[in-house]
Amino acid sequence: EDKVVQSPLSLVVHEGDTVTLNCSYEVTNFRSLLWYKQEKKAPTFLFMLTSSGIEKKSGRLSSILDKKELFSILNITATQTGDSAVYLCAVEAQPRGDSSYKLIFGSGTRLLVRP
Amino acid sequence: EPEVTQTPSHQVTQMGQEVILRCVPISNHLYFYWYRQILGQKVEFLVSFYNNEISEKSEIFDDQFSVERPDGSNFTLKIRSTKLEDSAMYFCASSFKGQGNYGYTFGSGTRLTVV
Repeated sequence: EDKVVQSPLSLVVHEGDTVTLNCSYEVTNFRSLLWYKQEKKAPTFLFMLTSSGIEKKSGRLSSILDKKELFSILNITATQTGDSAVYLCAVEAQPRGDSSYKLIFGSGTRLLVRP
Repeated sequence: EPEVTQTPSHQVTQMGQEVILRCVPISNHLYFYWYRQILGQKVEFLVSFYNNEISEKSEIFDDQFSVERPDGSNFTLKIRSTKLEDSAMYFCASSFKGQGNYGYTFGSGTRLTVV
């Protein structure tokens, strides 16, 4: 059975700290791995990773994928209170053919950044 | 920035009633999805839709569920006879050929409460 496991489940840090969020997966027909930030409602897109070892960066956030060891990390440097959210890791699978896609989500990491 | 729009934002219905959740995906996207998130649980895949037909569905998506793209812009999820356990946040998402620099775009969700 396909699974995506995130750790830690929750994290409390102070502003300015650096955090590393982990995502490991066992998914057949892997296509890509995505990171989302979920604050109140809709997950908002952060990164999409398809190749091993290539870091993607956006401001204070960065992420990398290891397809051999089947994991990804999301780093947030110099955290701010606005980074408080649930961070979701999702693996895109392509079970059958070109038109068949789905995301398999982890449980998320709840990050709280205190002032 | 293009958005996926969902209506209504919140719906309360009696057990056994039919509900229709509506979504307007991003106009040039070709793939459409429904996901749900029961309170405190993971986001779960329900169904993907491409070229006017279902391309993938989960075990959750049983005979009480159906999807339709009745015109060129709307994408609907119908739940025929709601049960208490259908109470969840339902997210619509769309993507362009299942990949892209922007991944999947999610709508803000419809919170369905079955009483």
